[in-house]
Amino acid sequence: EIVLTQSPGTLSLSPGERATLSCRASQSTTSSYFAWYQQKPGQAPRLLIYGTSNRATGIPDRFSGSGSGTDFTLTISSLEPEDFAVYYCQQYGGSPLYTFGQGTKLEIK
Amino acid sequence: EVQVLESGGGLVQPGGSLRLSCAASGFSFNNYIMSWVRQAPGKGLEWVSGISGSGETIAYADSVKGRFTISRDNSKNTVYLQLSSLRSDDTALYYCARRSDESSRCFDNWGQGTLVTVSS
Repeated sequence: EIVLTQSPGTLSLSPGERATLSCRASQSTTSSYFAWYQQKPGQAPRLLIYGTSNRATGIPDRFSGSGSGTDFTLTISSLEPEDFAVYYCQQYGGSPLYTFGQGTKLEIK
Repeated sequence: EVQVLESGGGLVQPGGSLRLSCAASGFSFNNYIMSWVRQAPGKGLEWVSGISGSGETIAYADSVKGRFTISRDNSKNTVYLQLSSLRSDDTALYYCARRSDESSRCFDNWGQGTLVTVSS
């Protein structure tokens, strides 16, 4: 099983600041099959980034993804009030087929 | 517009059964893998099961293998998840999600979820 470990668990920042969220895989994973999701309270997850660095439809360009192998990063260049949420990374491959990280909560400082 | 709508959740006793449904619209349903992903209260996301567009290929997480059964009816644009031998740790919000194409293999559209509570 490929385990995804996200850090930090909670990130406290102010609007306008830059956010950097990390996700480390327990073994190398295919970059094409790596994604990030945003989840707000009471809502379903929403796909943000797929294929490590591609923004999903309608996602603002302040969101960007990077990484390869075992280390992946989601960056939000300048936080807007609506960006405060929980973020999950996800990969495909191995058993189980899909695994998610435990989440990073991005909260307002 | 792609829409996915789950139903069928509820309160069930340990050892009981429940069938969840997921009605989809706005896309060529039989061309897409569909999956179920669950989220226990206050916890993260866990992939549960997936089924190919034809229904011929099915996969489960080890935590539900032998207890849950996924199926689909392409004539009704609906995917199902039969839950059996339910345990308290199956309590969760169950999301139905459309799997993206083969190039990215992520979940690009999600329903709002249906809540399953296993309790006596």
